[in-house]
Parts: sequence; structure tokens; C-alpha cells
Amino acid sequence: GEDVEQSLFLSVREGDSSVINCTYTDSSSTYLYWYKQEPGAGLQLLTYIFSNMDMKQDQRLTVLLNKKDKHLSLRIADTQTGDSAIYFCAELASGGGGADGLTFGKGTHLIIQP
Amino acid sequence: SAVISQKPSRDICQRGTSLTIQCQVDSQVTMMFWYRQQPGQSLTLIATANQGSEATYESGFVIDKFPISRPNLTFSTLTVSNMSPEDSSIYLCSVEEGRMRHSYNEQFFGPGTRLTVL
Repeated sequence: GEDVEQSLFLSVREGDSSVINCTYTDSSSTYLYWYKQEPGAGLQLLTYIFSNMDMKQDQRLTVLLNKKDKHLSLRIADTQTGDSAIYFCAELASGGGGADGLTFGKGTHLIIQP
Repeated sequence: SAVISQKPSRDICQRGTSLTIQCQVDSQVTMMFWYRQQPGQSLTLIATANQGSEATYESGFVIDKFPISRPNLTFSTLTVSNMSPEDSSIYLCSVEEGRMRHSYNEQFFGPGTRLTVL
């Protein structure tokens, strides 16, 4: 079955880069997403990457995809206190009769040290 | 982007009772989803609710336990029936906006309903 794995915690110093990693098992994934969940708030889509891309940059965010290794990462440059949140990796499989729901990892809690 | 509200935002319920969670969207959407986030766990898809058809449930979830209604393109309800403490979770609805199936379909999430079952 589908599985998405992430480490549970990442601690970085303010101003450094944060790199959050994710591995997935479904080779038919078409889109991969990064969501952010701040305390008391709903999930917010940060960025996504299509499976035929290997990199996508959006301001401070860089997504790298290694499809051969089924590895996805999110790099946040110049990490700020406002980046403190839980980051979820999610994949959308290519279908096969099921719903278009996403499969999520457990989330990585990003902790910012002053 | 879609704006989604859920009611109630939280509730504490007794074992054996049922709770209906409402999800309202500010625009018409075809696909709506219900997720569960158990304490310390990732999100798990419960079912997909498309207007005009029966909800499609994921493995491990059944209609008798989680009946879903989708009366129109802006509203859905999820009922958690005959609750037990194991049903304590955050329940989130989400909607999908996108032009084509399997194109980039952004999903927007509601704020969630925090359910505690005693």
C-alpha cells in the first residue's frame, strides 16, 4: 500500500536553512505536496511539484524530487520564527478507480531556535 | 481560493452518542473529502463526497459508522455514529479545485473539528 514517511522533528536556528525530508512508496504518484499546519489553524498548501520535475523554487522554498529514490525534500531558506509549524508531505497517486484523496505523512514539527 | 468553514469547531461527547459535523464552502466544488487526524498521527482519508452520488469510503471506514451527506455543491456533513473514545480525533473536510482530473488539483482544508469522546 501507499506510505509516506517523514521525521517527526527538526530543530534549526533562526536564519539558517531548514531541510525537511520525505520518502514515499507509490511510484505512480503524479503530484507531491507540502502542506503547513500552524497551531490552531487548518492545513495550508505551501507548494507542490509534478512528478516529471526534479526541482521547483518559489521564493524561500525549494522543492527537490528524486523520483528514482522516491525522495522529496522541502528547503526553507533564511528560516524565521513564523516558519514554526508542522509540515506535511502528501502524495496524489495516479488513480485507479479510487478517490483523489491525498496520502499524508505524519508531519515534521519544525522548531526554530533563537 | 475556496474558503471553508466547519461546525462545530470542537465538541466533547459521551460514548454511544453521535455527532454530525458540517462543512460549508463559499463556492461550488465538485469534490469534497473528509479526513481524520488522530492524536500524533497523519491525516487519513475517510471518504470522498461528490454531489449527486454515494460517498466513496476508504478501506477501514464504513457508511454505518461515518454516514456522509452531500446535498449540494457547497455543503457536506459527516456523522460520527455510536462514538467511542477511539473516535477522538480532529476531523477535517477539504475541497478540491482544479480544471481537469489528475491535473494540478489544489486541495483546501477547513479548520477542523476537534472531537473528544469520553
